[in-house]
Amino acid sequence: SQTIHQWPATLVQPVGSPLSLECTVEGTSNPNLYWYRQAAGRGLQLLFYSIGIDQISSEVPQNLSASRPQDRQFILSSKKLLLSDSGFYLCAWSTGTGDTQYFGPGTRLTVL
Amino acid sequence: EDKVVQSPLSLVVHEGDTVTLNCSYEVTNFRSLLWYKQEKKAPTFLFMLTSSGIEKKSGRLSSILDKKELFSILNITATQTGDSAIYLCAVFTNAGKSTFGDGTTLTVKP
Repeated sequence: SQTIHQWPATLVQPVGSPLSLECTVEGTSNPNLYWYRQAAGRGLQLLFYSIGIDQISSEVPQNLSASRPQDRQFILSSKKLLLSDSGFYLCAWSTGTGDTQYFGPGTRLTVL
Repeated sequence: EDKVVQSPLSLVVHEGDTVTLNCSYEVTNFRSLLWYKQEKKAPTFLFMLTSSGIEKKSGRLSSILDKKELFSILNITATQTGDSAIYLCAVFTNAGKSTFGDGTTLTVKP
């Protein structure tokens, strides 16, 4: 069966510090991968999605970037965090032909 | 710009009540509409709808899509306290992009 891992679960970082959140999927190959951010009381905002290694689409211009160095690994990064980067970050995967997404446990990021 | 609007934003009911949650959308090249339930952490998948008028059902939950009027509803009958959650609606386009609504927060009181 497929599983998706995200870490860390919570993170508190100062403004201006770098960020690296990692997501890995097991039990499937060539998944579509997604990074979302959820602000308090809001829906999910799509940040990046990837249909393959080194194939990444950015939905919202900002100071975040994503990389997919391996088929089942998706990394969200920032060189310098802003206060507005605080939120709940969710990684998700789906099969290449379907839209049903399966979410990781999420990372709650607080930027102080 | 693609848009998904959910209503109401929040709802408080008592156990045993029936609720209807709404999701309307405006997207280019619609492919599918999905409903998710989010409790403490990650959303969990409920339904995927691609065709108009065909009801999807799972226990006390059901959902239907109207592609002409561009909306979907999620019904929950005989609500229980365990149904308390945020219910999210998402629409996918043919390009694989997803747009989520802001969710409906449902609180079921004993």
